[in-house]
Amino acid sequence: GNSVTQMEGPVTLSEEAFLTINCTYTATGYPSLFWYVQYPGEGLQLLLKATKADDKGSNKGFEATYRKETTSFHLEKGSVQVSDSAVYFCALLSYGGSQGNLIFGKGTKLSVKP
Amino acid sequence: ETGVTQSPTHLIKTRGQQVTLRCSSQSGHNTVSWYQQALGQGPQFIFQYYREEENGRGNFPPRFSGLQFPNYSSELNVNALELDDSALYLCASSLEGGNQPQHFGDGTRLSIL
Repeated sequence: GNSVTQMEGPVTLSEEAFLTINCTYTATGYPSLFWYVQYPGEGLQLLLKATKADDKGSNKGFEATYRKETTSFHLEKGSVQVSDSAVYFCALLSYGGSQGNLIFGKGTKLSVKP
Repeated sequence: ETGVTQSPTHLIKTRGQQVTLRCSSQSGHNTVSWYQQALGQGPQFIFQYYREEENGRGNFPPRFSGLQFPNYSSELNVNALELDDSALYLCASSLEGGNQPQHFGDGTRLSIL
């Protein structure tokens, strides 16, 4: 079945460091891929998405490229800020129902120190 | 534009009780999905409603049920609560059609004693 695997955290970085959070997926066909972010005590916010191979999603300095050949969608940011501290979830859209449902990884907690 | 709103924010129940959680979808969104997020885990898909019908279901028992109303708002009902039902319950709404991103509410934190 469809699944998402992302690197385990927690990840602790200093401000302005480079961030990579790895995400790989298993799916039939070519699902849409997403990164969501969850701040403490809140729900999930859509960070970025990509709907087909070689698409690059980007938002707020974060980027991720849909790599079909490696079934990956790694999240990157060139210079993290303290305000980026949160839990990041990689997800794919599975079409079990006609509208699709999301399958999430377990999440990676990022802490950025000043 | 009003986002997804959920109520209540927090809820405490005891084993065997029943609970109803509510969700108002984002303006114009006709599809509502419910997810259960256990502590330290990613959200797990419970079910989805589209045009007031259940439109897909994850690996959850029948004691998890739901409704969608003509205004697209939705309810999640859980009967015979168990300790393992303690979790954050998230509602997400989206537009009709494939590849549409789902927008989440802040969730209801359910604790079972």
